[in-house]
Amino acid sequence: ETGVTQTPRHLVMGMTNKKSLKCEQHLGHNAMYWYKQSAKKPLELMFVYNFKEQTENNSVPSRFSPECPNSSHLFLHLHTLQPEDSALYLCASSQQGGDSSYNEQFFGPGTRLTVL
Amino acid sequence: AQSVTQPDIHITVSEGASLELRCNYSYGATPYLFWYVQSPGQGLQLLLKYFSGDTLVQGIKGFEAEFKRSQSSFNLRKPSVHWSDAAEYFCAVGAAGGGADGLTFGKGTHLIIQP
Repeated sequence: ETGVTQTPRHLVMGMTNKKSLKCEQHLGHNAMYWYKQSAKKPLELMFVYNFKEQTENNSVPSRFSPECPNSSHLFLHLHTLQPEDSALYLCASSQQGGDSSYNEQFFGPGTRLTVL
Repeated sequence: AQSVTQPDIHITVSEGASLELRCNYSYGATPYLFWYVQSPGQGLQLLLKYFSGDTLVQGIKGFEAEFKRSQSSFNLRKPSVHWSDAAEYFCAVGAAGGGADGLTFGKGTHLIIQP
């Protein structure tokens, strides 16, 4: 595997289900991100993890719970979601620090989530 | 707060014609600017980025963008488009100074290529 991978690619769940999205980066990066992409809305940053520590939570509802067990893996745990949470969830990673003052983010293909 | 505006939701261009996609940003300090492309069912791929230096930056697939501080713009251009360029294009701004900051994206411009 190379780059940033996400599983599953598609997920359909009911409002009472609990599911998890998985992201894995094979780039040796130290920062990971979750974004939400809804129809007709800009990509929204949800969470940022830097060296496994959560450094940003953009007022995301508690029904979304991130987990970063190590610098290569990022999870998004979902429970009691609403139909308006249906969207494409994108994971990204980057390498922070060093000589570069800003490093680009590499994105995975996303998980298409449908909440019934 | 930083923001990005892409005023064109859809643009239709004939194959072989030139292309310009507009992007305006709002940011209080020196912005770090990016253009990404997203094909259907795919994640985002970086086309080019601007941090500092030469205001005309070259990217992949024959794209270029020009940073104009006086106009708060970072427009994307290509002299001759190919049918494979049909996709969604996103402009994004990142906070200066480094750190694991997330990006702020525009709403995107959907590019349609006519034969």
